[in-house]
Amino acid sequence: GEDVEQSLFLSVREGDSSVINCTYTDSSSTYLYWYKQEPGAGLQLLTYIFSNMDMKQDQRLTVLLNKKDKHLSLRIADTQTGDSAIYFCADASGSARQLTFGSGTQLTVLP
Amino acid sequence: NAGVMQNPRHLVRRRGQEARLRCSPMKGHSHVYWYRQLPEEGLKFMVYLQKENIIDESGMPKERFSAEFPKEGPSILRIQQVVRGDSAAYFCATSAGTDTQYFGPGTRLTVL
Repeated sequence: GEDVEQSLFLSVREGDSSVINCTYTDSSSTYLYWYKQEPGAGLQLLTYIFSNMDMKQDQRLTVLLNKKDKHLSLRIADTQTGDSAIYFCADASGSARQLTFGSGTQLTVLP
Repeated sequence: NAGVMQNPRHLVRRRGQEARLRCSPMKGHSHVYWYRQLPEEGLKFMVYLQKENIIDESGMPKERFSAEFPKEGPSILRIQQVVRGDSAAYFCATSAGTDTQYFGPGTRLTVL
């Protein structure tokens, strides 16, 4: 079945850039998403990219997609303490477009 | 425009009781997805519904779990005879079609 994988932890210093990586296996994925989850909260949609795009930029967020290698990354510029959270990548595939999630990357921003 | 609403936010049940989780979609959304997040894990798809129809329940456990999305009212995820392993956060997400899903705040179920 489909699989989405992420590294579990990332620590960066405030003001630095963060790069969170994700790999997926389903070549029929149409959209790929990044969600943010703060403790005890739901998932907040951050951004998404259509599978025929290589890059999408939205303010401090840059998404890169390498479809050949099935690799997705999220870069957060000028990382702030408020960015500390768990970040999930997800792909939408299948007739129902249900989301398959990675296990999440815990981003810790150090002062 | 209110977002996706779920209630209750927290639910405590004893083993063997029933749990009912409700999800009210965003205005204009008629597609509902339920996901379960076990502690320290990512979210796993359970079921996809449109009004009065279950479209895909491939992620639902075969026993004790059921879901509905009636013509009027919220979508309901029902867990009968809960066990400790059912303790998790249950999220619903809604969409206007097979496109971007917006998540509710979740219901955190604790089974004692």
